Amino acid sequence: QQQVKQSPQSLIVQKGGISIINCAYENTAFDYFPWYQQFPGKGPALLIAIRPDVSEKKEGRFTISFNKSAKQFSLHIMDSQPGDSATYFCAAIDMRFGAGTRLTVKP
Amino acid sequence: DVKVTQSSRYLVKRTGEKVFLECVQDMDHENMFWYRQDPGLGLRLIYFSYDVKMKEKGDIPEGYSVSREKKERFSLILESASTNQTSMYLCASSLRVSYGYTFGSGTRLTVV
Repeated sequence: QQQVKQSPQSLIVQKGGISIINCAYENTAFDYFPWYQQFPGKGPALLIAIRPDVSEKKEGRFTISFNKSAKQFSLHIMDSQPGDSATYFCAAIDMRFGAGTRLTVKP
Repeated sequence: DVKVTQSSRYLVKRTGEKVFLECVQDMDHENMFWYRQDPGLGLRLIYFSYDVKMKEKGDIPEGYSVSREKKERFSLILESASTNQTSMYLCASSLRVSYGYTFGSGTRLTVV
C-alpha cells in the first residue's frame, strides 16, 4: 500500500539553486510530517518535521511547506550545496515512508 | 543523542541459513522497527514492536520473525535465508510512534 506518494524520484539541481521535493498523503488523521536525509552507506536521519497546526517551518536552508487542504507537504532546500546530495524521504503515516528522492547538486 | 547500533555492517550468508540481525538502542525508547531498503522501493516495514515481548507484522513479514526480550534490543531473524532477502536492513527506534525515528547505520546482507 502506498500511503505517501513522493515526487520526483530524482532531481538534479545546480549549486545555489532551490531543490523542491513533494509528498502527498491520504490519511487526514496524520499529525506529524517529517523529512529524512540519507547519505550513501548511512541510515536515514531526521532532517526536519512539521505538525499540522502550522503551514511552514524553517530550519536554516531547509523549509517544510504544509498544505492541509491539498494533503501535501514539500521540502524546500534553498541555496542547494553539493553536500546536500543525498536521498530524501518523507513520512506521513506511522512507520511508512515515501519511495525517496535522490537529489544531486552539481557544483 | 539516541544511538541505534546494528551489530553487523556487512554480512554474507548462504541460502537456507538462519540469520540473526541484532539492533540495540540506548535511550529507553518504547518503539522499535525493522525495515529493508531496496533500490527503487524505498523503505519497507518488516516488523515493529511497541513494547517488550510485543511484536506486530509490517508490510512484508514473510520469511522473517523478530524477538524483543529486552526493551533495548530488537532482533530480526531470517528463518531460512533466500537470495531474494539480499538487501540493506535498517533498524530504527522512537520515543513515540508519531515522533521522529532514529535509525541505525544498516546491515547490508548478501545471501548467496
